[in-house]
Amino acid sequence: GAVVSQHPSWVICKSGTSVKIECRSLDFQATTMFWYRQFPKQSLMLMATSNEGSKATYEQGVEKDKFLINHASLTLSTLTVTSAHPEDSSFYICSAGDRGRIDTQYFGPGTRLTVL
Amino acid sequence: QKEVEQDPGPLSVPEGAIVSLNCTYSNSAFQYFMWYRQYSRKGPELLMYTYSSGNKEDGRFTAQVDKSSKYISLFIRDSQPSDSATYLCAMSDGYNTDKLIFGTGTRLQVFP
Repeated sequence: GAVVSQHPSWVICKSGTSVKIECRSLDFQATTMFWYRQFPKQSLMLMATSNEGSKATYEQGVEKDKFLINHASLTLSTLTVTSAHPEDSSFYICSAGDRGRIDTQYFGPGTRLTVL
Repeated sequence: QKEVEQDPGPLSVPEGAIVSLNCTYSNSAFQYFMWYRQYSRKGPELLMYTYSSGNKEDGRFTAQVDKSSKYISLFIRDSQPSDSATYLCAMSDGYNTDKLIFGTGTRLQVFP
């Protein structure tokens, strides 16, 4: 099956710093990549949808200036959490797939972010 | 009220048991229904995908959708310790097929 990787798998940073998370589709080209956030005992919440070469579409309530998404190629999307604060500590998961193919979203293993 | 409700569990069953996992939802526009399995520290993987109402079977797994009751189920027959994971339901209205609405997940433990 299709493989999506994320790097790093976990990161600890100080409050006020920025953290970049990479999401790569290893064996297929993804026209669309999605970024989710999952707090303990809560649902995966879609943060934003990015299409290669265009600006990301953010869900309501997600600050686009705080969560910068770059989708530079069909195999790589990055999420940068700028000026991170403890409340940003969460599990961030990306998925990659074909736009409009709801059964072909392949999820990465996730990145655990802890902000001290 | 959340759009998708799912009992977080944990649900603990003996090996060989039949497991029933359920979700309810409030949005009658949902047409696509998915079940994902998520192991600890891993991303979700798609188990079952159904469109509209009805049943779908794949090996030991059966997915049921009852749109009139806004209720979906996943049955696991002959459960195995390797089935121990968190099971997430997810739904979409089909108009914005990119967007999946997830339940909180039910943690299942199958003991030998």
